[in-house]
Amino acid sequence: EVQLVESGGGSVQPGGSLRLSCVASGFTFDDYAMHWVRQVPGKGLEWVSGISWIGDRRGYADSVRGRFTISRDNDKNSLYLQMNSLRVEDTAFYYCTKEGYSASPSAPPDFWGQGTRVTVSS
Amino acid sequence: QSVLTQPPSASGTPGQRVTISCSGSSSNIGSNYVYWYQQVPGTAPKLLIYRSNQRPSGVPDRFSASKSGTSASLAISGLRSEDEADYYCAAWDDSLSVAFGGGTKLTVL
Repeated sequence: EVQLVESGGGSVQPGGSLRLSCVASGFTFDDYAMHWVRQVPGKGLEWVSGISWIGDRRGYADSVRGRFTISRDNDKNSLYLQMNSLRVEDTAFYYCTKEGYSASPSAPPDFWGQGTRVTVSS
Repeated sequence: QSVLTQPPSASGTPGQRVTISCSGSSSNIGSNYVYWYQQVPGTAPKLLIYRSNQRPSGVPDRFSASKSGTSASLAISGLRSEDEADYYCAAWDDSLSVAFGGGTKLTVL
């Protein structure tokens, strides 16, 4: 059974940092690209970032480029999102997601974790 | 402002057939597969359709989808109360990102 378990969310002041983690199980982690997707409560889905199986290809939404960094550790079956210079508008649920068929980011996810909540407020 | 355009709401009575549209452009729907997700409030999105018209195992055949040009649609036949949820379309965009629709809230009357 595929499982994605996020952690690291919480409350932080504007300008602060958080590091989200996601531990994967139930599939061969280094066979697939992975993505982070966020959702403001009550609003729609927004793609944040994606990474290839080996980490050599990374993409970011314009809204987070230069502030967020995606990475992965295939030995630990883990995906990360380092979030710096956080803004109020980054407040959202952050979902760790798995791409369905490719080792490089090239398609929407086929499986989602339960999400971790990030609140940026003074 | 979402990259893909969906109607904000849809509704139907039990047993009816409802469709939800999703409009994009040549850089996303026009050149890539469309995915559809169902999200019950308070839970994570769940994949309903992949590669424009394929259902994962476990998804009832009441759910079907199609794509034409830069638009796609999701159809739900034999509507049930448990289908009440938010539905999102998505597609890879050639700008190297995932494009999502704004979501459609389906109400079963």
